[in-house]
Amino acid sequence: EVQLVESGGGLVQPGGSLRLSCAASGFTFSSYEMNWVRQAPGKGLEWVSYISSSGSTIYYADSVKGRFTISRDNAKNSLYLQMNSLRAEDTAVYYCARDLGSGTQYYFDYWGQGTLVTVSS
Amino acid sequence: SSELTQDPAVSVALGQTVRITCQGDSLRSYYASWYQQKPGQAPVLVIYGKNNRPSGIPDRFSGSSSGNTASLTITGAQAEDEADYYCNSRDSSGNHHVVFGGGTKLTVL
Repeated sequence: EVQLVESGGGLVQPGGSLRLSCAASGFTFSSYEMNWVRQAPGKGLEWVSYISSSGSTIYYADSVKGRFTISRDNAKNSLYLQMNSLRAEDTAVYYCARDLGSGTQYYFDYWGQGTLVTVSS
Repeated sequence: SSELTQDPAVSVALGQTVRITCQGDSLRSYYASWYQQKPGQAPVLVIYGKNNRPSGIPDRFSGSSSGNTASLTITGAQAEDEADYYCNSRDSSGNHHVVFGGGTKLTVL
């Protein structure tokens, strides 16, 4: 059974840092591209970042570029999101999601349960 | 970057058919995928590609696409289908980003 379990969320002051983790199991993690998606309270889904299966290709949403860093450790079946210079508008539930597709179809077939990040003084 | 537009809210009578739409330029290049999200839960993929359902998704869910519009149709809506529905696709501007629609709140009456 595919499982994605996020951790590392919590309360942090503006300007602070936090590192999120996503532990993967039930599939060959090193073969899959992965993403982080967030959802502010009462709002819609917002894509945050993408990383290729090897980690060699990375993309960020403009809203987090330069502040967030996505990475992965395939030996540990884990995905990470290092978040620096946090702002109130980064407050959200952060989900990791497995990426599938190619050509003209791209989709996230499995999602974790999410971890809440609250940025507040 | 591209945007995807969804109606904020749609309602349907129990057992009737409802169509939820998603519009955006990126849909001329990429198929939309659709996610169902119930309160307090993570999103669940319900439709991807031309019209594919993951294992476990009831066949009352179907997808279609024409031009810059993708549609999710629920034929014979059930009470448990009440949820938020989001579309997404790859951004067609060449930056490899992903875009989500704003979501549609489906109410089953």
